[in-house]
Amino acid sequence: DAGVTQSPTHLIKTRGQQVTLRCSPKSGHDTVSWYQQALGQGPQFIFQYYEEEERQRGNFPDRFSGHQFPNYSSELNVNALLLGDSALYLCASSSRRGTAFSYEQYFGPGTRLTVT
Amino acid sequence: KNEVEQSPQNLTAQEGEFITINCSYSVGISALHWLQQHPGGGIVSLFMLSSGKKKHGRLIATINIQEKHSSLHITASHPRDSAVYICAVSTLYGNKLVFGAGTILRVKS
Repeated sequence: DAGVTQSPTHLIKTRGQQVTLRCSPKSGHDTVSWYQQALGQGPQFIFQYYEEEERQRGNFPDRFSGHQFPNYSSELNVNALLLGDSALYLCASSSRRGTAFSYEQYFGPGTRLTVT
Repeated sequence: KNEVEQSPQNLTAQEGEFITINCSYSVGISALHWLQQHPGGGIVSLFMLSSGKKKHGRLIATINIQEKHSSLHITASHPRDSAVYICAVSTLYGNKLVFGAGTILRVKS
């Protein structure tokens, strides 16, 4: 079991560009959540995907969008990058199993995005 | 005020000391998580609990639902315990995690 994987590991972009980050959940998990962690701070919830739909969203602008594929993997897209978007982006997977959540979440290693 | 507050923010201990990190929350929760994050970013789940106490090796986590408070204890601390310890809560709906700011722990030999 490979656990949660994320790609790329590191990324450097310029202001105004667009970026796509990818996440593959742990085997057997169907729910993917994305978090942003700025340097020296705790992670902040961006959004959560289940059954290929965005189910919950944190306080992030529309520049942040996502997608979930039939194999449960997910992408996070950020448009019109700002310097303040520089952060570690974490993906976490869990299992919903119908209407009941398994609250344990497994985290990927993260993607460190630097915007210059 | 943040929904999840941790204390202390920074903690330096000598090897062998007993360590306590505290977490208070102000929202309704379905579970509380203690997480460990090493330099480089990877997060490992240490405990998930909704009541009582859990123990794993030298780590003990407790939660008091009525007081909305949890503690993480490390017995016989070791330099390899040096990391950031993060308290997070699963909200009542949708399994969103709300994180504390983390406690930076350094254990000196």
